[in-house]
Amino acid sequence: GESVGLHLPTLSVQEGDNSIINCAYSNSASDYFIWYKQESGKGPQFIIDIRSNMDKRQGQRVTVLLNKTVKHLSLQIAATQPGDSAVYFCAENEGGGNKLTFGTGTQLKVEL
Amino acid sequence: KAGVTQTPRYLIKTRGQQVTLSCSPISGHRSVSWYQQTPGQGLQFLFEYFSETQRNKGNFPGRFSGRQFSNSRSEMNVSTLELGDSALYLCASSTQRGSYEQYFGPGTRLTVT
Repeated sequence: GESVGLHLPTLSVQEGDNSIINCAYSNSASDYFIWYKQESGKGPQFIIDIRSNMDKRQGQRVTVLLNKTVKHLSLQIAATQPGDSAVYFCAENEGGGNKLTFGTGTQLKVEL
Repeated sequence: KAGVTQTPRYLIKTRGQQVTLSCSPISGHRSVSWYQQTPGQGLQFLFEYFSETQRNKGNFPGRFSGRQFSNSRSEMNVSTLELGDSALYLCASSTQRGSYEQYFGPGTRLTVT
């Protein structure tokens, strides 16, 4: 039959506001998590990672929070800029290898 | 340092043909993984290579295969192409296996007609 595209949730924010993108991961054995940003026509770009022995990690304008109890990951972007507009994916690694399992993605739109 | 490079960037093939895609990892990276990205299925893991050996394989038919060379460059091959193989094929490289940063290339856009 005809394939149906994944429905990407969309987050619209005003320029300068903070953005929070959420992700529920599936495997409680996953011990490493990565956030990627993908702009149209490009490959995913590494943003930030976190290991399962941490709850929070900060980068430049970005913070990742990990809640293992409820298998939830979030990406916070401070002072969102137009250049942040993209699809954001969380990915989990079960450990021992490099197989990443990706979430469906969130479309971030920054309004001027 | 140069990023991950993939060639060709765009490819159009007809059903039944085969195709080979190439990936050159970041210098010093020994692990290469391949992913398929489609609007319907999202990003899906194909396989992982490290030290010229396939270490992990995703849930794809045997028509999808790959290999890695001694210089860590990798190729993937798809035989007997089907319309559903139309996708963006991405490779990612990493220094080691496990909890290490993986960096993606720009992808090869394959269209099967």
